[in-house]
Amino acid sequence: EAGVTQSPRYAVLQEGQAVSFWCDPISGHDTLYWYQQPRDQGPQLLVYFRDEAVIDNSQLPSDRFSAVRPKGTNSTLKIQSAKQGDTATYLCASSFPDWEYAEQFFGPGTRLTVL
Amino acid sequence: GDSVTQMQGQVTLSEDDFLFINCTYSTTWYPTLFWYVQYPGEGPQLLLKVTTANNKGISRGFEATYDKGTTSFHLQKASVQESDSAVYYCVLGGYAQGLTFGLGTRVSVFP
Repeated sequence: EAGVTQSPRYAVLQEGQAVSFWCDPISGHDTLYWYQQPRDQGPQLLVYFRDEAVIDNSQLPSDRFSAVRPKGTNSTLKIQSAKQGDTATYLCASSFPDWEYAEQFFGPGTRLTVL
Repeated sequence: GDSVTQMQGQVTLSEDDFLFINCTYSTTWYPTLFWYVQYPGEGPQLLLKVTTANNKGISRGFEATYDKGTTSFHLQKASVQESDSAVYYCVLGGYAQGLTFGLGTRVSVFP
């Protein structure tokens, strides 16, 4: 079974440029998460979806970040006007609708550098 | 809000040494606790999980014990190998929720 796939794997931008990250979750997983992982820190949740609905986007900087999952499968995270502070790895994860286990499966991430 | 604290940022060991990483957590509900491991260039992957229904989890030679009284959750392994070199995260989570990660402990094992 294929894991979570993400593209691109790397991105380098100047401040003010826009960038989009794409995620394809594991088939059958109804919940999809986006995390931001600054260098040498743990991942921090940005937003998560159940099917196509946003469940929690309270940690998403809404003035410049947006995330969609229109058909409840793939998802796109977009940064409208990148800042140097956005330099980090962006991880996508998905999970089964399972009450007890709640294991999240992570993709390899997109490493973003904003110059 | 929920939080997880890992005090050890880096641990350096020789093969066959004993590994112990401590973690404390804070939450207002009954958590499921996880240890995730991350290798260079990869996303985190689940190592093991412990719920309030059972106090201990075991996987791949690692053992995690959860103490509700002290809100601690430590990870240990009796004899590490070079292949165990990675970053280990203590994680707080629950059903279809975002995970709360600690800062991570970088474990380096030398032959």
